[in-house]
Amino acid sequence: QSALTQPASVSGSPGQSITISCTGSTSDIGRYNYVSWYQQHPGNAPKLIIYEVTYRPSAISNRFSGSKSGNTASLTISGLQAEDEADYYCSSFTSTTSTAIFGGGTKVTVL
Amino acid sequence: QVQLVQSGSELKQPGASVKVSCKASGYTFNSMSLVWVRQAPGQGLQCMGWINTNTGDPVYAQGFTGRFVFSLDTSVSTAYLQINSLKAEDTAVYYCAREIKHLDYWGQGTQVTVSS
Repeated sequence: QSALTQPASVSGSPGQSITISCTGSTSDIGRYNYVSWYQQHPGNAPKLIIYEVTYRPSAISNRFSGSKSGNTASLTISGLQAEDEADYYCSSFTSTTSTAIFGGGTKVTVL
Repeated sequence: QVQLVQSGSELKQPGASVKVSCKASGYTFNSMSLVWVRQAPGQGLQCMGWINTNTGDPVYAQGFTGRFVFSLDTSVSTAYLQINSLKAEDTAVYYCAREIKHLDYWGQGTQVTVSS
Protein backbone atom coordinates (compact mmCIF):
# COMPACT_ATOMS: atom_id res chain seq x y z
CA GLN A 1 0.00 0.00 0.00
CA SER A 2 1.22 3.55 -0.69
CA ALA A 3 2.27 5.75 2.17
CA LEU A 4 0.34 8.88 2.99
CA THR A 5 1.79 11.96 1.25
CA GLN A 6 3.56 14.65 3.28
CA PRO A 7 5.90 17.46 2.19
CA ALA A 8 9.53 16.50 2.73
CA SER A 9 10.33 19.69 4.60
CA VAL A 10 8.75 22.77 6.11
CA SER A 11 10.53 25.67 7.78
CA GLY A 12 9.61 28.73 9.77
CA SER A 13 11.02 31.39 12.05
CA PRO A 14 10.56 31.35 15.81
CA GLY A 15 7.10 32.53 16.77
CA GLN A 16 5.59 31.80 13.35
CA SER A 17 2.98 29.16 12.56
CA ILE A 18 3.50 26.33 10.11
CA THR A 19 1.15 23.70 8.71
CA ILE A 20 2.03 20.21 7.51
CA SER A 21 -0.38 18.46 5.18
CA CYS A 22 -0.98 14.72 4.93
CA THR A 23 -2.94 13.36 1.97
CA GLY A 24 -4.42 9.91 1.86
CA SER A 25 -7.44 8.29 0.28
CA THR A 26 -10.99 7.17 0.89
CA SER A 27 -9.59 3.97 2.43
CA ASP A 28 -7.77 5.74 5.25
CA ILE A 29 -7.97 9.46 6.13
CA GLY A 30 -11.23 9.93 4.25
CA ARG A 31 -12.83 6.95 5.95
CA TYR A 32 -11.71 7.10 9.56
CA ASN A 33 -11.12 9.71 12.26
CA TYR A 34 -8.14 7.63 13.41
CA VAL A 35 -5.59 10.15 12.18
CA SER A 36 -2.60 10.71 14.44
CA TRP A 37 0.64 12.71 14.34
CA TYR A 38 4.04 11.84 15.79
CA GLN A 39 7.12 13.92 16.57
CA GLN A 40 10.53 12.28 16.36
CA HIS A 41 13.79 13.88 17.43
CA PRO A 42 17.01 12.26 16.14
CA GLY A 43 17.91 9.08 17.98
CA ASN A 44 14.60 8.98 19.87
CA ALA A 45 11.41 6.99 19.55
CA PRO A 46 8.44 8.78 17.99
CA LYS A 47 6.04 10.55 20.36
CA LEU A 48 2.29 10.87 19.88
CA ILE A 49 1.25 14.54 19.68
CA ILE A 50 -2.22 14.39 18.07
CA TYR A 51 -4.72 11.52 17.95
CA GLU A 52 -8.18 11.05 16.44
CA VAL A 53 -7.60 14.07 14.18
CA THR A 54 -7.80 16.82 16.82
CA TYR A 55 -7.06 15.48 20.30
CA ARG A 56 -3.84 16.17 22.20
CA PRO A 57 -2.41 13.90 24.91
CA SER A 58 -2.36 15.75 28.22
CA ALA A 59 1.38 16.45 28.23
CA ILE A 60 1.44 17.96 24.73
CA SER A 61 1.54 21.73 24.28
CA ASN A 62 -1.60 23.42 22.92
CA ARG A 63 0.64 24.97 20.26
CA PHE A 64 0.03 21.73 18.35
CA SER A 65 -3.34 21.31 16.66
CA GLY A 66 -4.83 18.95 14.08
CA SER A 67 -7.62 19.02 11.53
CA LYS A 68 -9.01 17.06 8.61
CA SER A 69 -10.92 17.80 5.42
CA GLY A 70 -11.84 14.99 3.08
CA ASN A 71 -8.77 12.85 2.41
CA THR A 72 -6.30 15.39 3.80
CA ALA A 73 -5.24 15.92 7.40
CA SER A 74 -3.15 18.81 8.69
CA LEU A 75 -0.92 19.54 11.66
CA THR A 76 -0.39 23.16 12.69
CA ILE A 77 2.39 24.25 15.00
CA SER A 78 1.87 27.77 16.29
CA GLY A 79 4.43 29.92 18.08
CA LEU A 80 7.25 27.88 16.58
CA GLN A 81 10.10 27.17 19.00
CA ALA A 82 13.61 25.78 18.53
CA GLU A 83 12.60 22.58 20.31
CA ASP A 84 9.98 21.91 17.61
CA GLU A 85 12.74 21.14 15.13
CA ALA A 86 12.16 17.44 14.43
CA ASP A 87 10.62 14.97 11.99
CA TYR A 88 6.83 14.74 11.97
CA TYR A 89 4.83 11.76 10.74
CA CYS A 90 1.12 11.45 10.09
CA SER A 91 -0.68 8.13 10.35
CA SER A 92 -4.13 6.73 9.72
CA PHE A 93 -5.88 3.44 10.19
CA THR A 94 -6.54 1.92 6.79
CA SER A 95 -9.26 -0.47 5.66
CA THR A 96 -6.92 -1.86 2.99
CA THR A 97 -5.03 -4.00 5.48
CA SER A 98 -6.72 -3.19 8.82
CA THR A 99 -3.42 -1.77 10.03
CA ALA A 100 -1.92 1.70 10.25
CA ILE A 101 -0.24 3.54 7.42
CA PHE A 102 2.30 6.35 7.83
CA GLY A 103 3.26 9.37 5.81
CA GLY A 104 6.81 9.67 4.54
CA GLY A 105 7.67 12.25 7.20
CA THR A 106 8.25 16.00 7.21
CA LYS A 107 11.43 17.60 8.51
CA VAL A 108 10.61 20.83 10.34
CA THR A 109 13.41 23.38 10.49
CA VAL A 110 13.30 26.41 12.76
CA LEU A 111 15.24 29.18 11.03
CA GLN B 1 3.05 4.54 34.42
CA VAL B 2 2.79 2.80 31.08
CA GLN B 3 6.11 1.44 29.82
CA LEU B 4 7.18 -0.69 26.89
CA VAL B 5 10.72 -1.99 27.30
CA GLN B 6 12.39 -3.70 24.37
CA SER B 7 15.32 -6.09 24.19
CA GLY B 8 18.79 -4.93 23.20
CA SER B 9 20.58 -4.53 19.90
CA GLU B 10 21.20 -7.55 17.71
CA LEU B 11 23.85 -8.29 15.09
CA LYS B 12 22.95 -11.23 12.88
CA GLN B 13 24.26 -12.88 9.76
CA PRO B 14 22.15 -13.12 6.61
CA GLY B 15 19.86 -16.16 6.74
CA ALA B 16 19.68 -16.24 10.54
CA SER B 17 16.66 -15.45 12.70
CA VAL B 18 16.13 -12.82 15.37
CA LYS B 19 13.51 -12.46 18.09
CA VAL B 20 12.82 -9.02 19.57
CA SER B 21 10.84 -8.71 22.80
CA CYS B 22 8.62 -5.92 24.10
CA LYS B 23 7.66 -6.09 27.78
CA ALA B 24 4.64 -4.03 28.82
CA SER B 25 3.88 -2.67 32.26
CA GLY B 26 1.63 -0.11 33.92
CA TYR B 27 -1.63 -1.21 32.29
CA THR B 28 -3.72 -4.31 31.62
CA PHE B 29 -1.74 -6.07 28.89
CA ASN B 30 -4.65 -7.69 27.08
CA SER B 31 -6.72 -4.49 26.91
CA MET B 32 -4.89 -2.92 23.95
CA SER B 33 -3.23 -4.16 20.80
CA LEU B 34 0.54 -4.16 20.30
CA VAL B 35 1.94 -2.76 17.08
CA TRP B 36 5.32 -3.31 15.41
CA VAL B 37 6.95 -0.48 13.42
CA ARG B 38 10.12 -0.57 11.34
CA GLN B 39 12.44 2.35 10.64
CA ALA B 40 15.24 1.64 8.19
CA PRO B 41 18.36 3.83 8.35
CA GLY B 42 17.51 7.39 7.36
CA GLN B 43 14.00 6.37 6.39
CA GLY B 44 10.47 6.90 7.69
CA LEU B 45 8.18 4.75 9.76
CA GLN B 46 6.49 1.61 8.42
CA CYS B 47 3.74 -0.22 10.25
CA MET B 48 4.52 -3.93 10.11
CA GLY B 49 1.22 -4.93 11.66
CA TRP B 50 -0.22 -5.64 15.07
CA ILE B 51 -1.28 -8.39 17.41
CA ASN B 52 -4.51 -8.68 19.32
CA THR B 53 -3.30 -9.20 22.89
CA ASN B 54 -6.64 -10.69 23.88
CA THR B 55 -6.83 -13.42 21.23
CA GLY B 56 -3.22 -13.62 20.05
CA ASP B 57 -4.35 -13.08 16.45
CA PRO B 58 -1.78 -11.21 14.33
CA VAL B 59 -2.49 -8.82 11.43
CA TYR B 60 0.39 -8.30 9.04
CA ALA B 61 0.78 -5.28 6.77
CA GLN B 62 1.68 -5.61 3.11
CA GLY B 63 5.34 -6.47 2.72
CA PHE B 64 5.55 -8.12 6.12
CA THR B 65 4.10 -11.54 5.48
CA GLY B 66 5.95 -14.84 5.38
CA ARG B 67 9.21 -14.13 7.26
CA PHE B 68 7.72 -12.07 10.07
CA VAL B 69 5.97 -13.58 13.09
CA PHE B 70 4.20 -11.80 15.94
CA SER B 71 3.60 -13.69 19.17
CA LEU B 72 2.77 -13.17 22.84
CA ASP B 73 3.54 -14.52 26.29
CA THR B 74 0.69 -13.07 28.30
CA SER B 75 2.08 -14.59 31.52
CA VAL B 76 4.88 -12.03 31.41
CA SER B 77 3.03 -9.28 29.47
CA THR B 78 5.47 -9.55 26.58
CA ALA B 79 5.09 -9.40 22.82
CA TYR B 80 7.63 -10.77 20.38
CA LEU B 81 8.67 -10.06 16.82
CA GLN B 82 10.56 -12.83 15.07
CA ILE B 83 12.17 -12.29 11.69
CA ASN B 84 13.35 -15.39 9.83
CA SER B 85 15.78 -15.71 6.90
CA LEU B 86 17.25 -12.30 7.63
CA LYS B 87 18.38 -10.11 4.73
CA ALA B 88 20.59 -7.05 4.68
CA GLU B 89 17.54 -4.91 3.98
CA ASP B 90 16.06 -5.95 7.35
CA THR B 91 18.67 -3.74 9.01
CA ALA B 92 16.56 -1.22 10.90
CA VAL B 93 15.30 -0.04 14.25
CA TYR B 94 12.21 -1.97 15.29
CA TYR B 95 9.71 -0.36 17.65
CA CYS B 96 6.76 -1.77 19.51
CA ALA B 97 3.91 0.57 20.34
CA ARG B 98 0.57 0.33 22.05
CA GLU B 99 -2.83 0.49 20.30
CA ILE B 100 -3.19 0.29 16.51
CA LYS B 101 -5.64 3.21 16.18
CA HIS B 102 -3.21 5.69 17.74
CA LEU B 103 0.18 4.53 18.94
CA ASP B 104 0.18 6.24 22.31
CA TYR B 105 3.18 4.62 23.98
CA TRP B 106 6.34 3.40 22.28
CA GLY B 107 9.22 1.19 23.23
CA GLN B 108 12.74 2.61 23.03
CA GLY B 109 13.49 0.68 19.83
CA THR B 110 15.71 -2.28 19.04
CA GLN B 111 18.49 -1.98 16.47
CA VAL B 112 18.78 -5.08 14.30
CA THR B 113 21.82 -5.18 12.03
CA VAL B 114 22.17 -7.87 9.38
CA SER B 115 25.71 -8.21 8.12
CA SER B 116 28.19 -10.93 7.30
